[in-house]
Amino acid sequence: LAKTTQPISMDSYEGQEVNITCSHNNIATNDYITWYQQFPSQGPRFIIQGYKTKVTNEVASLFIPADRKSSTLSLPRVSLSDTAVYYCLVAPGYSTLTFGKGTMLLVSP
Amino acid sequence: NAGVTQTPKFQVLKTGQSMTLQCAQDMNHEYMSWYRQDPGMGLRLIHYSVGAGITDQGEVPNGYNVSRSTTEDFPLRLLSAAPSQTSVYFCASTPGTPGNEQFFGPGTRLTVL
Repeated sequence: LAKTTQPISMDSYEGQEVNITCSHNNIATNDYITWYQQFPSQGPRFIIQGYKTKVTNEVASLFIPADRKSSTLSLPRVSLSDTAVYYCLVAPGYSTLTFGKGTMLLVSP
Repeated sequence: NAGVTQTPKFQVLKTGQSMTLQCAQDMNHEYMSWYRQDPGMGLRLIHYSVGAGITDQGEVPNGYNVSRSTTEDFPLRLLSAAPSQTSVYFCASTPGTPGNEQFFGPGTRLTVL
């Protein structure tokens, strides 16, 4: 079971780029890395998923080094509405999908 | 598409009572799952299903039962509610391959007195 480690919290200001790093030293060959965003009183929402190198979509980028033991979620030019909890998940199989405590990102004006 | 729907949104039970949390999805997803989230914590997997008629236990299954008679519905049953089951419950579905995007419902906030 690949355990993930993320910072408990991060602070940023509007317009800045935010990078949240997740460690997953025991990642397995078949694992994908997935990031979710959760606002208070809502279910998590998928942000991005990757296996290796770099993935980019309209809201974020995901950087994964060659050894895949960590990953970095990059949010460009954050706004107040990006204040949320961000979860990094590593999925060896559906039965062991585990959300940690996530990273609480606070964006200030 | 309505996506993943959950009912009720809020529920208060007394210790020992039973109830069923409903979850439905209209995306024809094979995989469905139930999570609970306690204050300040991440989500923990209770039970999951890889298709109609197939269910399995997750990380915290004790005190909960599930069944999957159709692709669309995946109810979660509390047979004898306990205060330790006070939590927010989320249902999710995903197309099939492990690691695929999960779609979450809006949650059910349950309080057991």
